[in-house]
Amino acid sequence: DGGITQSPKYLFRKEGQNVTLSCEQNLNHDAMYWYRQDPGQGLRLIYYSQIVNDFQKGDIAEGYSVSREKKESFPLTVTSAQKNPTAFYLCASSMVQGDGKDTQYFGPGTRLTVL
Amino acid sequence: AQRVTQPEKLLSVFKGAPVELKCNYSYSGSPELFWYVQYSRQRLQLLLRHISRESIKGFTADLNKGETSFHLKKPFAQEEDSAMYYCALSDTGGFKTIFGAGTRLFVKA
Repeated sequence: DGGITQSPKYLFRKEGQNVTLSCEQNLNHDAMYWYRQDPGQGLRLIYYSQIVNDFQKGDIAEGYSVSREKKESFPLTVTSAQKNPTAFYLCASSMVQGDGKDTQYFGPGTRLTVL
Repeated sequence: AQRVTQPEKLLSVFKGAPVELKCNYSYSGSPELFWYVQYSRQRLQLLLRHISRESIKGFTADLNKGETSFHLKKPFAQEEDSAMYYCALSDTGGFKTIFGAGTRLFVKA
């Protein structure tokens, strides 16, 4: 499959712990995104980044943090401040110019469960 | 506020029957609209985008600006069409994409 990868596939965390979800892409895309997917609510945007060393909050950024030190990588940290962290997390990437811009390519997702 | 509404959580049709998945949006500018699909055990992927005006796997979607709708249609549903479908909106020039809650399509034999 390739393209955009997320690890791990499943992650378990105890309450009060921070945890980092990995997202890597080899599509040479400038923009990367993190979404949270909950049943009946679709995808909600957590953070997005259009370029290295820059990122913006999405609609539900509270309790999350990101970094974008490399074009290929956009890790998401779920902090202990996130009240309901158990969810399925999706990473995506896209071009920022050209005909195909705005089309998002998704990773396989990480399911985080807080025990 | 920008919003994408998919009124049906679940849509069940028989094989060979026409299918229409509804999508309405709320947006003040000129959005780009998409349909994404997630088949069982596969990752979410683009099905079609309105700007391309193409038919993918027999599906088409017409943007109706008057009704602010972007319904997805297929004249004859197939079992392999069973999947989760998401309508999405992207503001032109921006990078935020807003997704609807999704409709699960189940095509019965």
